[in-house]
Amino acid sequence: DVKVTQSSRYLVKRTGEKVFLECVQDMDHENMFWYRQDPGLGLRLIYFSYDVKMKEKGDIPEGYSVSREKKERFSLILESASTNQTSMYLCASSSGTGTDTQYFGPGTRLTVL
Amino acid sequence: DQQVKQNSPSLSVQEGRISILNCDYTNSMFDYFLWYKKYPAEGPTFLISISSIKDKNEDGRFTVFLNKSAKHLSLHIVPSQPGDSAVYFCAALNTGGFKTIFGAGTRLFVKA
Repeated sequence: DVKVTQSSRYLVKRTGEKVFLECVQDMDHENMFWYRQDPGLGLRLIYFSYDVKMKEKGDIPEGYSVSREKKERFSLILESASTNQTSMYLCASSSGTGTDTQYFGPGTRLTVL
Repeated sequence: DQQVKQNSPSLSVQEGRISILNCDYTNSMFDYFLWYKKYPAEGPTFLISISSIKDKNEDGRFTVFLNKSAKHLSLHIVPSQPGDSAVYFCAALNTGGFKTIFGAGTRLFVKA
């Protein structure tokens, strides 16, 4: 069974703090993704990576960066957290391209005060 | 500009009846479509998919219909069960790329 784990289920941070969200997958998947989920907007892609040390911007990369030093781990970094980054963050992984389905972690509910 | 639209935020259905969830898309380059299901406090899980070369795909109680000319797809659940109560996301992609575009989701309530 594919397992995608995220480091925290709930996180509360203050404006201006640097925030790290960690994601680990155990199925040797090439591709990893970070989304945020907001009411009425669905899942929006922040960044994705199709190989170690490779990263591509998604639809809403502003205010975020990512790191993928190992194949199984994909980190999302908020350099200076702001209140409009309060959201549910979901990590996913998939193998190959195209029709391969994505496997999601349980999500991290981040609140920025 | 939402390329994948789910215009119904919620839907309520009686147990045993049919649930129909709808999805519209605008990008004619999309050639593969998926439905994901999400329970509270869990990540979305894949439910069913359909390629643009087909107009129907069935898996048990779940059937997805694709109308390419109308750029519309729908998910039918028959019969609906209380355990089907969840948020359903429609998603679309072009198989030549990596990006999957998700709709806003429809929350389904199945009443016992």
